[in-house]
Amino acid sequence: EDKVVQSPLSLVVHEGDTVTLNCSYEVTNFRSLLWYKQEKKAPTFLFMLTSSGIEKKSGRLSSILDKKELFSILNITATQTGDSAIYLCAMSEGGSQGNLIFGKGTKLSVKP
Amino acid sequence: DGGITQSPKYLFRKEGQNVTLSCEQNLNHDAMYWYRQDPGQGLRLIYYSQIVNDFQKGDIAEGYSVSREKKESFPLTVTSAQKNPTAFYLCASSRGKYSNQPQHFGDGTRLSIL
Repeated sequence: EDKVVQSPLSLVVHEGDTVTLNCSYEVTNFRSLLWYKQEKKAPTFLFMLTSSGIEKKSGRLSSILDKKELFSILNITATQTGDSAIYLCAMSEGGSQGNLIFGKGTKLSVKP
Repeated sequence: DGGITQSPKYLFRKEGQNVTLSCEQNLNHDAMYWYRQDPGQGLRLIYYSQIVNDFQKGDIAEGYSVSREKKESFPLTVTSAQKNPTAFYLCASSRGKYSNQPQHFGDGTRLSIL
């Protein structure tokens, strides 16, 4: 059974829309949750979240973690065609030697 | 510029052949990782290494082998025992298990069967 579940798996929106991507996880010893953006090649790091309720923000992107309900969301406001990508959520467990467990990703397509 | 370099970008394997994917980093990171990405599957961990001359199997190590003779280098060999090698292979590195710092990725190698 998957430990990290992302939803939706794919999403099509128009430029200017706001989107919310979801990531739920199950873990016995949580360390951190990470978001990456993958266009054609290397996933690029967006955010790392370790504490509940503290929003991390970078331009039009923001993310927050809820450790009680075991989920995180990634928000993108005023979407642009350049936001089209696969967004990956990953979890790190304590004692795992830094290994990440990835969800299947959300494929976002932003239409002009 | 510091980063992770994977080569080649594209690789074709004949049946029964072993192929080696290169991964080099100049970030002075202790830890290095290999992932396999299939459509709709996310990233799955093949092997990882926290220090030179030491490495551990990940979730899908069968049919693969690695070495870590130098801190900067972590090559992955896809052996003939891997019956379904067609995938996108990503190498990553990080400061190490005690730092809780994010992993950074190379641009990947796309492997196909001839």
